Amino acid sequence: AQSVTQLDSQVPVFEEAPVELRCNYSSSVSVYLFWYVQYPNQGLQLLLKYLSGSTLVKGINGFEAEFNKSQTSFHLRKPSVHISDTAEYFCAVTSKAAGNKLTFGGGTRVLVKP
Amino acid sequence: GAVVSQHPSWVICKSGTSVKIECRSLDFQATTMFWYRQFPKQSLMLMATSNEGSKATYEQGVEKDKFLINHASLTLSTLTVTSAHPEDSSFYICSARASSGVGNNSPLHFGNGTRLTVT
Repeated sequence: AQSVTQLDSQVPVFEEAPVELRCNYSSSVSVYLFWYVQYPNQGLQLLLKYLSGSTLVKGINGFEAEFNKSQTSFHLRKPSVHISDTAEYFCAVTSKAAGNKLTFGGGTRVLVKP
Repeated sequence: GAVVSQHPSWVICKSGTSVKIECRSLDFQATTMFWYRQFPKQSLMLMATSNEGSKATYEQGVEKDKFLINHASLTLSTLTVTSAHPEDSSFYICSARASSGVGNNSPLHFGNGTRLTVT
């Protein structure tokens, strides 16, 4: 079985400061990893994904994430946040063995303060 | 980019009635669609996988007769909450994938969700 743990349920951060959202996964097979953002009362928007290749993945809106197989982590980072980055962020994992079904972490709420 | 349209965006219904939620892929064909449920301040829980032309696959603990899923075409899946009760109140989100292969850069595209309130 696969699982995802997002260690921080809430992350307050000041505008223009860097932010890191932590994600650890558990799986016995090769995985595909995703980060999604959810704005209030909306669906999810894909920020970035890791399927294979380079472990440093760049996504939209200035976000990037690094896949670390030895630490089973896929932390999301942004060097300088904006007020508009206030949202809920979900890390997700899937694999061919799981039938390509996504398993989501519990989410991290980012609150950007002016 | 790929767009998934979900309708309605919100609905209020009385206890005991049924509610249908539509999920459409607007610019691609979706052989597989997924239905999720999200409680306030919680993550998304997969309810079922909807496959075009065949029966949906439900996750453990999800009542098939209560949450009816129909995927009659490559661009439309519907979720019907039958005999709704207040505890069915939630945010329901659908997603669609253009093909079955994750490895060929075919991510999930999500609808904007439907907030269901049962009174």
